[in-house]
Amino acid sequence: EDQVTQSPEALRLQEGESSSLNCSYTVSGLRGLFWYRQDPGKGPEFLFTLYSAGEEKEKERLKATLTKKESFLHITAPKPEDSATYLCAVKPNNNNDMRFGAGTRLTVKP
Amino acid sequence: GAGVSQTPSNKVTEKGKYVELRCDPISGHTALYWYRQSLGQGPEFLIYFQGTGAADDSGLPNDRFFAVRPEGSVSTLKIQRTERGDSAVYLCASSLTAGSLDTQYFGPGTRLTVL
Repeated sequence: EDQVTQSPEALRLQEGESSSLNCSYTVSGLRGLFWYRQDPGKGPEFLFTLYSAGEEKEKERLKATLTKKESFLHITAPKPEDSATYLCAVKPNNNNDMRFGAGTRLTVKP
Repeated sequence: GAGVSQTPSNKVTEKGKYVELRCDPISGHTALYWYRQSLGQGPEFLIYFQGTGAADDSGLPNDRFFAVRPEGSVSTLKIQRTERGDSAVYLCASSLTAGSLDTQYFGPGTRLTVL
């Protein structure tokens, strides 16, 4: 069965303290792995799509990487406005819907 | 341009009542998805449409849930005989096509509370 596990569940950082969020997955063939950001009371906001192992993508203070078993979202020198829940999702080979993890709730303190 | 919109933003109903939730996708997007998100969890797939037809409804939890997209644009998720366990945020997303890697863009969600 396709599964997505995110860790940690919650992470508290001081402003400027870099860290990484993990997304481990087991799928019957991976077509794509997606990262979204979700603020309280809002819908998920698209960040990145990764297609194959070894791929990396960057946007401002965020960098996403992908291996055959997991993806990392690296946050460099975070700011309080980076506080949000970060969701990872995979698209298996056999269908068009996305399977989401439970998310990592990130809090960045000034 | 305008993103995905959903109405109402909040819906409070009583157990046993019928509710309809509406989704307006991004103009020109042919694929439309419904998800349900419970507190502290990621979105859970319900159903997706390619054009007017439901291409995959395997995520609908039971026959009380039904969705339509009669003209290939706006979609309505319908829930009959609501139960307290149906309380959640219902999210809609759309993508340009149903192509395997097309990005799904989400609306703000409808928060459904069943008393």
